[in-house]
Amino acid sequence: AQTVTQSQPEMSVQEAETVTLSCTYDTSESDYYLFWYKQPPSRQMILVIRQEAYKQQNATENRFSVNFQKAAKSFSLKISDSQLGDAAMYFCAYRSPTSGTYKYIFGTGTRLKVLA
Amino acid sequence: NAGVTQTPKFQVLKTGQSMTLQCAQDMNHEYMSWYRQDPGMGLRLIHYSVGAGITDQGEVPNGYNVSRSTTEDFPLRLLSAAPSQTSVYFCASSRTSGGSTGELFFGEGSRLTVL
Repeated sequence: AQTVTQSQPEMSVQEAETVTLSCTYDTSESDYYLFWYKQPPSRQMILVIRQEAYKQQNATENRFSVNFQKAAKSFSLKISDSQLGDAAMYFCAYRSPTSGTYKYIFGTGTRLKVLA
Repeated sequence: NAGVTQTPKFQVLKTGQSMTLQCAQDMNHEYMSWYRQDPGMGLRLIHYSVGAGITDQGEVPNGYNVSRSTTEDFPLRLLSAAPSQTSVYFCASSRTSGGSTGELFFGEGSRLTVL
């Protein structure tokens, strides 16, 4: 069974600095999707970035980028120029593309604090 | 475009009471699911559906029932609430066809307290 591990329960970053959140996963599949979701205090889950495993290029969305290491089964999120609004829980998620199997596996989350 | 709508946002129940959490989406998504979020445990899948009339169990299905009579609606029923079901519940949906990566769209969550 697939698993997703976020080993950092909490991280802090100074405003305008860069922070990296870690995520590792375990799977025997070769094709899959990975996501980072943000959950601010409002509780709403928001997609930050996604990565298809068959793509070697790391995904980027403005100040958010990933370091996808398929062989190491690692999927870290880098936030550049951190802003106060980035303070939130961040969840890493795995999804298998296998037809008929649409279970998503979430990590336990990393709480990011942004210091002014 | 409302997206995924969950009701109620807050609910307090007594042990043994029943209730239904409603979830509706207007994006014609095939896949719908329910998660519970507990501190330190991330989101755990309760039940999911890949289309009308089709449901399946997730990681923590005990104590919960679901049905999917239409594409739009996917209610979650607690038949006899227990304190262990105190949690925040999320409904989420996604496309599964057309080469979709399956991004999940979430409702705003429902905080349930069982006394």
